[in-house]
Amino acid sequence: GAGVSQSPRYKVAKRGQDVALRCDPISGHVSLFWYQQALGQGPEFLTYFQNEAQLDKSGLPSDRFFAERPEGSVSTLKIQRTQQEDSAVYLCASSLGTIPRYEQYFGPGTRLTVT
Amino acid sequence: AQTVTQSQPEMSVQEAETVTLSCTYDTSESDYYLFWYKQPPSRQMILVIRQEAYKQQNATENRFSVNFQKAAKSFSLKISDSQLGDAAMYFCAYRTPGSRGGGADGLTFGKGTHLIIQP
Repeated sequence: GAGVSQSPRYKVAKRGQDVALRCDPISGHVSLFWYQQALGQGPEFLTYFQNEAQLDKSGLPSDRFFAERPEGSVSTLKIQRTQQEDSAVYLCASSLGTIPRYEQYFGPGTRLTVT
Repeated sequence: AQTVTQSQPEMSVQEAETVTLSCTYDTSESDYYLFWYKQPPSRQMILVIRQEAYKQQNATENRFSVNFQKAAKSFSLKISDSQLGDAAMYFCAYRTPGSRGGGADGLTFGKGTHLIIQP
């Protein structure tokens, strides 16, 4: 079956532009996670959805970052007024259930470069 | 806050040999999960192995096994009979249920170990 997909795979934005990153989770997966992976670092948690409810956004670095999952499936991570420090790979993951024993399946990521 | 430390930025091993990747973590929780993820150059993160903290028996998945030392907060990954396809970044990760509310948690990752397989 299809895995987690993300689009675009690569995005170049000029500083100050707004960007929108899309995540299509595995069908039927309840939980959806966004992570930010800076160059040479491990991924860092940004936010978590259970169906359409955003239950945790403690990892969002600033109010320029906004995520939504209005129908409980596709999710969009929006970054307003991009800054150079936003350059990173943004990973999306989904899992079947809400308890930790359910594996998180990761997408290929979107590499964002802010110039 | 939980932290995960991988002290080996890079490791190299000859094909068919065995290599061990180190991971330590810091937590005040008693119930948690530990994972090793593999991230090949294509960047899609893949789960290699998982360990529940309440289980004393070390997890094993084919050529991959862990040495889980709960008291020492250590969780190392052993790869036996290394193959060229094992070359990747390996991340140790930690997760507790519900510490951020709402049930499932995001993962806390280490900085990773770059594993090189010498043919």
